[in-house]
Amino acid sequence: QQQVKQSPQSLIVQKGGISIINCAYENTAFDYFPWYQQFPGKGPALLIAIRPDVSEKKEGRFTISFNKSAKQFSLHIMDSQPGDSATYFCAASKGGSQGNLIFGKGTKLSVKP
Amino acid sequence: DAGVIQSPRHEVTEMGQEVTLRCKPISGHNSLFWYRQTMMRGLELLIYFNNNVPIDDSGMPEDRFSAKMPNASFSTLKIQPSEPRDSAVYFCASRKGPGDEQYFGPGTRLTVT
Repeated sequence: QQQVKQSPQSLIVQKGGISIINCAYENTAFDYFPWYQQFPGKGPALLIAIRPDVSEKKEGRFTISFNKSAKQFSLHIMDSQPGDSATYFCAASKGGSQGNLIFGKGTKLSVKP
Repeated sequence: DAGVIQSPRHEVTEMGQEVTLRCKPISGHNSLFWYRQTMMRGLELLIYFNNNVPIDDSGMPEDRFSAKMPNASFSTLKIQPSEPRDSAVYFCASRKGPGDEQYFGPGTRLTVT
């Protein structure tokens, strides 16, 4: 049973544009929602994370928007750059960041120069 | 710090052979995770250890898979006998403690022919 659904599977954005990746979860016990970035040949690396007590978190060009009632959260990349081209995974866990992560299937982002 | 170290980086083996994947976590980290990544199923947690003790192995697909952590600086994931459907990228990750970020290794790409 997939508990975290991620879309789209792939995304092509022009340099300077906004990239938006969406995730939906089923388990209302989830209370920690991180996003991971993975470059080819590398392991995933934590990009940004949010807890359900806030609706938005911003770090530089990366923003997480969180909608608790809809059980959805999204990653926005402002002013997308070719260096942002990577695969992005959303994840969720219960028990805060101590819990085991359930990952979405990933979104391959390509930013065209 | 060198980060999480995995070996080998690539493994090609024939069906029925035993495969052993190795992981050295970041020094001082108390939790270690083994994940499997495939296109179809995404990133799945196989097993995790706390202070060298297996805590949750519910993600281990079947008895052909086994994992050990004999000490704080070394873990193995063994598949015996291997099957073509085991072909995937296997990641090891470590974490200092509850609430801390998971750091992923570069992965081992396993191909079973």
